[in-house]
Amino acid sequence: GAGVSQSPSNKVTEKGKDVELRCDPISGHTALYWYRQRLGQGLEFLIYFQGNSAPDKSGLPSDRFSAERTGESVSTLTIQRTQQEDSAVYLCASSSAGTVHNSPLHFGNGTRLTVT
Amino acid sequence: GQNIDQPTEMTATEGAIVQINCTYQTSGFNGLFWYQQHAGEAPTFLSYNVLDGLEEKGRFSSFLSRSKGYSYLLLKELQMKDSASYLCAVRGDDYKLSFGAGTTVTVRA
Repeated sequence: GAGVSQSPSNKVTEKGKDVELRCDPISGHTALYWYRQRLGQGLEFLIYFQGNSAPDKSGLPSDRFSAERTGESVSTLTIQRTQQEDSAVYLCASSSAGTVHNSPLHFGNGTRLTVT
Repeated sequence: GQNIDQPTEMTATEGAIVQINCTYQTSGFNGLFWYQQHAGEAPTFLSYNVLDGLEEKGRFSSFLSRSKGYSYLLLKELQMKDSASYLCAVRGDDYKLSFGAGTTVTVRA
């Protein structure tokens, strides 16, 4: 595919609702990452998938956050019972081989989540 | 854990040179990346260093000293379009990329 695709690009939701964010990585990329970026701040690691290995979930901020990936393709990030503090841009990135040191991450344009 | 530090903001004049420093303390080291992020856009890859020394790519150069846990990104002949946030990121033993908070560079005419 052309690049990493994320949907929706913008999501406004009411506090307490669940949201699901989608990421389509570049075809053939085995590694997939989710990051969160609050306004004016750096990238906060959430979760990392590499091939068929167990994902690294060490960055998920609470049990309201979960993510899945189907094989080496689409990933979804789910946030349950959203809180206002969850408002941020959620960035997905993929790379060609997570175990190849110099493979850079290619980012999608992100989903801007606003919890009202 | 990972600790990556870079200055918050820098300002420079069009045509000048700016050096953005990054220091890191990480669990293992498998390379250091620099990314550029314009406001409201996704980060884009600029450079990669894994061995000590300077890597040059046109107006941008990146330097690494593994023994000092230190890198810098050098931007030469600054242009207005270089106004952006510059992110330092380190790949540790677990191959995931940990990012610094970013340095916002403002280029003034």
